[in-house]
Amino acid sequence: ETGVTQSPTHLIKTRGQQVTLRCSSQSGHNTVSWYQQALGQGPQFIFQYYREEENGRGNFPPRFSGLQFPNYSSELNVNALELDDSALYLCASSKSLAGGPGELFFGEGSRLTVL
Amino acid sequence: AQSVTQLGSHVSVSEGALVLLRCNYSSSVPPYLFWYVQYPNQGLQLLLKYTSAATLVKGINGFEAEFKKSETSFHLTKPSAHMSDAAEYFCAVRRGGSQGNLIFGKGTKLSVKP
Repeated sequence: ETGVTQSPTHLIKTRGQQVTLRCSSQSGHNTVSWYQQALGQGPQFIFQYYREEENGRGNFPPRFSGLQFPNYSSELNVNALELDDSALYLCASSKSLAGGPGELFFGEGSRLTVL
Repeated sequence: AQSVTQLGSHVSVSEGALVLLRCNYSSSVPPYLFWYVQYPNQGLQLLLKYTSAATLVKGINGFEAEFKKSETSFHLTKPSAHMSDAAEYFCAVRRGGSQGNLIFGKGTKLSVKP
């Protein structure tokens, strides 16, 4: 069983640039969520996708956007990067929303540094 | 609104000693609570979860946690610390009950001394 994989693992961007982070869900999972973990902090919810639709969003501006594809993989896009966007971005997948608290399986993250 | 508070950003214990990591929650609905562990440069791994089936929850690697509604607590314990337990631990509550996103605490870094 393949786990959640994220790419790239590390990247460096400059302020104002755009970035795309990618996530492949664990086999059999159809829900993907993204979290931002700043240094020394707990992860914060960005948004969640189910059946290619965003169905939950945290307190992040519209320059954070995402996609979920028919194979349930996902992208996180961040436009107009700011220094405070430097963080570890974690992707998590889970099974259908129906029926109980599905367990989230996390990838190892993409560490973004904005200079 | 749900939230969790982890008391102590850094806990240090000796190998073989009791591990106690504290978590208090706030929730207007029956909470779903979780403990995750994060090793350096890795993602989050689920240690255990409380979903109202039993108040004492056993997890992986010898960890367990007890849900105490009267104290709004969900503290994580392990009877005997091992060097490999050194990591950061996060308590989380599921927003809105069973299907919402996770709300994490700020984490507690556990150090284990030989």
